[in-house]
Amino acid sequence: DAGITQSPRHKVTETGTPVTLRCHQTENHRYMYWYRQDPGHGLRLIHYSYGVKDTDKGEVSDGYSVSRSKTEDFLLTLESATSSQTSVYFCAIGDRVDNEQFFGPGTRLTVL
Amino acid sequence: KQEVTQIPAALSVPEGENLVLNCSFTDSAIYNLQWFRQDPGKGLTSLLLIQSSQREQTSGRLNASLDKSSGRSTLYIAASQPGDSATYLCAVLNAGNMLTFGGGTRLMVKP
Repeated sequence: DAGITQSPRHKVTETGTPVTLRCHQTENHRYMYWYRQDPGHGLRLIHYSYGVKDTDKGEVSDGYSVSRSKTEDFLLTLESATSSQTSVYFCAIGDRVDNEQFFGPGTRLTVL
Repeated sequence: KQEVTQIPAALSVPEGENLVLNCSFTDSAIYNLQWFRQDPGKGLTSLLLIQSSQREQTSGRLNASLDKSSGRSTLYIAASQPGDSATYLCAVLNAGNMLTFGGGTRLMVKP
């Protein structure tokens, strides 16, 4: 398995609070991605990074921000969590944009 | 906007059957197509990657084909086993570095 960990694995929070999810990789891959998975919508890209301090928006980026200060860490922040952000969040990594993506175990986030 | 469809949504077969899962996409300008497996409550496991210039890829009992011009891919699973039970997802990579996923096929292989 690709060396990808996500923390926390489960989180329950309240509407309006900030939340940060962390993705950590030991593969030294250049590309890192954040997806969310929802019933009826499948997996959708939130943001991705193509290098340290280099990020771009995905399909569903509103309400989310990301940061990548080191190759191995990619943080996803919900500035003010809403119930619509209740979801399972997956991090993925890849060494090239056109190569395989490898996924982490996911974080289940519940916003009450 | 790329759309990816997987048919059937669910499939139940007896152990030992050969089976085919289908994936179709609306925009043929893809860089690659990837098949994943997802077990309940788990992350995605990459099964096969087919680059846009390739026609098929094989790994063990799995064979994936790609017909880019018609916007179709199939995942063939030979001699299915109960351990193959999972949801299978296909995803295509377009310009913009975005993987677009299908809704998945939930497979149950009965002993």
